[in-house]
Amino acid sequence: KAGVTQTPRYLIKTRGQQVTLSCSPISGHRSVSWYQQTPGQGLQFLFEYFSETQRNKGNFPGRFSGRQFSNSRSEMNVSTLELGDSALYLCASSPGESNTEAFFGQGTRLTVV
Amino acid sequence: GQSLEQPSEVTAVEGAIVQINCTYQTSGFYGLSWYQQHDGGAPTFLSYNALDGLEETGRFSSFLSRSDSYGYLLLQELQMKDSASYFCAVNLRGKLIFGQGTELSVKP
Repeated sequence: KAGVTQTPRYLIKTRGQQVTLSCSPISGHRSVSWYQQTPGQGLQFLFEYFSETQRNKGNFPGRFSGRQFSNSRSEMNVSTLELGDSALYLCASSPGESNTEAFFGQGTRLTVV
Repeated sequence: GQSLEQPSEVTAVEGAIVQINCTYQTSGFYGLSWYQQHDGGAPTFLSYNALDGLEETGRFSSFLSRSDSYGYLLLQELQMKDSASYFCAVNLRGKLIFGQGTELSVKP
């Protein structure tokens, strides 16, 4: 069974640009959540999608958005990039409602210059 | 809001037992989870406590006391490969709120 796949693995962008990150969950998993990891702030929840609906949202500005497609694949978008958006963005998938165990992808390392 | 506190660093020797504590200020969560993350790697699930008490999975055990707002991860028979960061997290429906992580260094 394939794990969670995130693309791209590494990305360098310039301030002011926008970026789209992709996540393919484990087959059959309906919940996809996104996290930002930085040395200073740790792992912070961005948002979670379940069956194409955003079910939870973290405390991030509106520049961070996401969506989930009918095949459960998810994308997150960050517009008007700032230097502080440099981070490891992790996607996690879970089978369904309770999310006892989350399966994380390897992440996308975003560097904003 | 929700917050979880864990020690930032712990050092132990190979073969020893180490306990990583996690105290939290949150309510209404489904359970407490533990994840391991090696440098450059993805967090991987270790253990989950929905109810108070001890859960054992091989060399790893986890404990939860909701009345004390406290949990811990116990690692036995430490191996060099256990050197990693360990995160506790509360499970709210659809999302995890993580502690800042504990970096465990296992020395020979």
